[in-house]
Amino acid sequence: GAVVSQHPSWVICKSGTSVKIECRSLDFQATTMFWYRQFPKQSLMLMATSNEGSKATYEQGVEKDKFLINHASLTLSTLTVTSAHPEDSSFYICSGASQGLTGTDTQYFGPGTRLTVL
Amino acid sequence: RKEVEQDPGPFNVPEGATVAFNCTYSNSASQSFFWYRQDCRKEPKLLMSVYSSGNEDGRFTAQLNRASQYISLLIRDSKLSDSATYLCVVNKRDTGRRALTFGSGTRLQVQP
Repeated sequence: GAVVSQHPSWVICKSGTSVKIECRSLDFQATTMFWYRQFPKQSLMLMATSNEGSKATYEQGVEKDKFLINHASLTLSTLTVTSAHPEDSSFYICSGASQGLTGTDTQYFGPGTRLTVL
Repeated sequence: RKEVEQDPGPFNVPEGATVAFNCTYSNSASQSFFWYRQDCRKEPKLLMSVYSSGNEDGRFTAQLNRASQYISLLIRDSKLSDSATYLCVVNKRDTGRRALTFGSGTRLQVQP
């Protein structure tokens, strides 16, 4: 299957700092990448959808000025959490979408980044 | 009402048991259906897609009932390694976007 990597795998930062998370599709071109967030014992929640070369589409309730997404190439998307606060501590997971032979979309998930804001 | 609802469990079963999980979804426009597996503190991994005709992959059988908006997963001959959280996932095409909606998951613990 297709491989997606994320970096860093975990990060601890002070409140007020910004953190950048990278998501790379290693062996396929992801025209669309998705960013999810998962709080403990809760389901993954879609934050935003990004298409290469265009602005990301954010889900309701997700602040676009706080969670900056850049999808500059078919293999790289970045999520920057600006002015992070403790309530932003979460597990952030990206996925890349690949159109299957049948036309069914398949998403391949990165291993996630665990963010802890002190 | 949540878009995808699952019984959170946990389901505690002995090795070798057969266990079934159910899931309901609220949006009749949903087009693709999946079961994912998520281990603790890891990313979700695709277990299998779910088709209207039902499909089987080894010990795993998935069923979809579009009329009732109901999805099931059956695991036969449970192994210790099956212990995980099983996520019911629905894909909805909405204004050209491909969005996955995750259920909150059903936790399975297989005991020796």
